[in-house]
Amino acid sequence: DQQVKQNSPSLSVQEGRISILNCDYTNSMFDYFLWYKKYPAEGPTFLISISSIKDKNEDGRFTVFLNKSAKHLSLHIVPSQPGDSAVYFCAASARNYGGSQGNLIFGKGTKLSVKP
Amino acid sequence: DTEVTQTPKHLVMGMTNKKSLKCEQHMGHRAMYWYKQKAKKPPELMFVYSYEKLSINESVPSRFSPECPNSSLLNLHLHALQPEDSALYLCASSQLQYTGELFFGEGSRLTVL
Repeated sequence: DQQVKQNSPSLSVQEGRISILNCDYTNSMFDYFLWYKKYPAEGPTFLISISSIKDKNEDGRFTVFLNKSAKHLSLHIVPSQPGDSAVYFCAASARNYGGSQGNLIFGKGTKLSVKP
Repeated sequence: DTEVTQTPKHLVMGMTNKKSLKCEQHMGHRAMYWYKQKAKKPPELMFVYSYEKLSINESVPSRFSPECPNSSLLNLHLHALQPEDSALYLCASSQLQYTGELFFGEGSRLTVL
């Protein structure tokens, strides 16, 4: 049973427009959420995170929104650039609970293509 | 230095071979991880070491044997693997277990014949 779901395997966006990547989770104990970006033949790279005490975190062109009641988070990239083309993984953990719950659980990823 | 270095990048082995994957970080991180990733699947946690001690073993078969010789090094010893063990093996580290983001290496692509 997937605890972290990314229901869109792929997304195509025009350069300069907004990219919105979505992620849903089922475990209400999750209290820390992250987005990773992965280029082919490279390991995932940390992008941005958000704690459950916040509903928004912004870093340059990247903003993550968290809706705890809907168990949903999204990553907004504005403006999108061709170099943003990669697979984006959503991840979550229950940090305050420790043990196995504290480890990161990854979604399946969404492949973003930004067209020039 | 914000790198996690994994060697080898590619490994092909037979089912009777013994080989090892190596991982190194010099960021002073005290938690290190092994993940396994199959094609079109998310990374799946295998092992976690915290302060050089095995903290988590996610019911991984004994043909995978982790080792943490010191705070900078993490090995994964492989013996009698099956073809279905072919995957990308990712090493990661973090400042402490359960805090902050993970830094991943590029992975070791393993093929078991």
